[in-house]
Amino acid sequence: GENVEQHPSTLSVQEGDSAVIKCTYSDSASNYFPWYKQELGKRPQLIIDIRSNVGEKKDQRIAVTLNKTAKHFSLHITETQPEDSAVYFCAASISGNQFYFGTGTSLTVIP
Amino acid sequence: DTEVTQTPKHLVMGMTNKKSLKCEQHMGHRAMYWYKQKAKKPPELMFVYSYEKLSINESVPSRFSPECPNSSLLNLHLHALQPEDSALYLCASSQDSSRGRRAFFGQGTRLTVV
Repeated sequence: GENVEQHPSTLSVQEGDSAVIKCTYSDSASNYFPWYKQELGKRPQLIIDIRSNVGEKKDQRIAVTLNKTAKHFSLHITETQPEDSAVYFCAASISGNQFYFGTGTSLTVIP
Repeated sequence: DTEVTQTPKHLVMGMTNKKSLKCEQHMGHRAMYWYKQKAKKPPELMFVYSYEKLSINESVPSRFSPECPNSSLLNLHLHALQPEDSALYLCASSQDSSRGRRAFFGQGTRLTVV
C-alpha cells in the first residue's frame, strides 16, 4: 500500500516568516494530494489540495507544489500568523476512497 | 456548505454499555467515512460507505458496527468497548468515492471508555 512520510514533525517560525512542510509518497498511482489543518480539539479542515496533473496551486498565503517524478509534495505558508499554529497533515489518495495520511507537523508561529 | 455534523460531541461509556455515534451531511455526498484518531496521530480509516453500501472495512473489531440508513446519515454502533478504544471518532464525506474527491470532516465525537 501507499506510504506517506512527512517532515518535519515540529516547526517553529517567527510571525511573518514562511513555513514549509514536505511529504513524500511511495505509490506512483497516487493522484490526489490534500492538506488538512487541525487545531487542538477540532476537526481536520481541508485547506488546499492538488491533483497529479498540476505542478503547483496557490490560494492566498498557501501554496502546494507537486513533483511527480520525485514523488514529493510540499505545503508553503507565507507571511505566517499566530492563527496558522496547528497540526498539518498531508495525504495521498490512490482510489479516492482511501486517504493515506502523513504523521503530521505541529506548526507554532511565534508572535 | 461543507458541513458534516456529528453527535454527540463527547461520550463517556462503560465497557458493558451500548451507544451509537451519529453523523449527518446534506451536501448530497455519496461516500461517507469513519475515522479514529488518537492524540497527536493522524486519522486512521475504519469504514467507507459508498452509495450506502459498505465498501471498505479496515479490519475493525466487531465491537464497532457501522450503519448507513440513507445517503445523508451514518451511524457507528458501539458495544463492549475497551479503554484503548478511547479516541476522537471522526466522520467524513465526499461527493463519491472515485479519485480526487475532496473529503470534509465532522467535528468528531470525543469518546472515553471507562
